Amino acid sequence: DVKVTQSSRYLVKRTGEKVFLECVQDMDHENMFWYRQDPGLGLRLIYFSYDVKMKEKGDIPEGYSVSREKKERFSLILESASTNQTSMYLCASSFAGPTNEKLFFGSGTQLSVL
Amino acid sequence: AQSVSQHNHHVILSEAASLELGCNYSYGGTVNLFWYVQYPGQHLQLLLKYFSGDPLVKGIKGFEAEFIKSKFSFNLRKPSVQWSDTAEYFCAVNTYSSASKIIFGSGTRLSIRP
Repeated sequence: DVKVTQSSRYLVKRTGEKVFLECVQDMDHENMFWYRQDPGLGLRLIYFSYDVKMKEKGDIPEGYSVSREKKERFSLILESASTNQTSMYLCASSFAGPTNEKLFFGSGTQLSVL
Repeated sequence: AQSVSQHNHHVILSEAASLELGCNYSYGGTVNLFWYVQYPGQHLQLLLKYFSGDPLVKGIKGFEAEFIKSKFSFNLRKPSVQWSDTAEYFCAVNTYSSASKIIFGSGTRLSIRP
C-alpha cells in the first residue's frame, strides 16, 4: 500500500515561531502537494512540487515556503507562524503524467498557533 | 485559473434516499475531474475520476458521476444511500496543461439518518 506519512498529527506553536511540517512518501511519486483544509473552504493548495528542487505556488502560498531536497520528502515551512495559519495541513503525492490520476493523502497535521 | 464550486455545503438524507451532489468548474480547456471522499477519521480517498470517453463514470460503493461539458458540471449521484455514506465529499479538477495542479472545491458534508 502507498504510504504518505506526516511527521506530526497535532502540533501547537506560538505566534512568530518557525514551523516545519514534514511529509514522506514511499511510492517513488514525482508529484507532492501541500494543502490546508478549513471548514467551509475545502482544500486549498499551498504549494506543489513535480520534481526534486522544483516547486510551484498554489492558490495560497503567502506565509509559506517549501523544500524538496529528496524525491520522497516534501517539507512545508511557516517562517513566522500566525494565528490565521491554524488549520489542518494535508500532504499528498501522485505519479506524474498528463492525467495525474490519483492523489494519495497523509493523515494530516492539525496545527494550532497560539 | 481553474476553480471548482460545490453549492451544497451540508446535505441530510434518510437511508435509501437518492443522492445528487453538485459540482461546477470554471476552465475553458480540457479538464480531468475527480470526486474524493473523506469518511470520519479517515484519509481522503478517490471515489471516481473522469479523463475522457464515456461521460458517465462509475466509482466505488455504487457512486457514479456524469460529466456535462456544456454545463461545466460533474455531479455525483447514488440511487440509494446508506448510513455508511456519511462523509465529506470533494470535487476536484486539473487541466491537461497543468496536470500537477489539482484544485478542490469547498466540500459537501453528507449526513445520513439511519
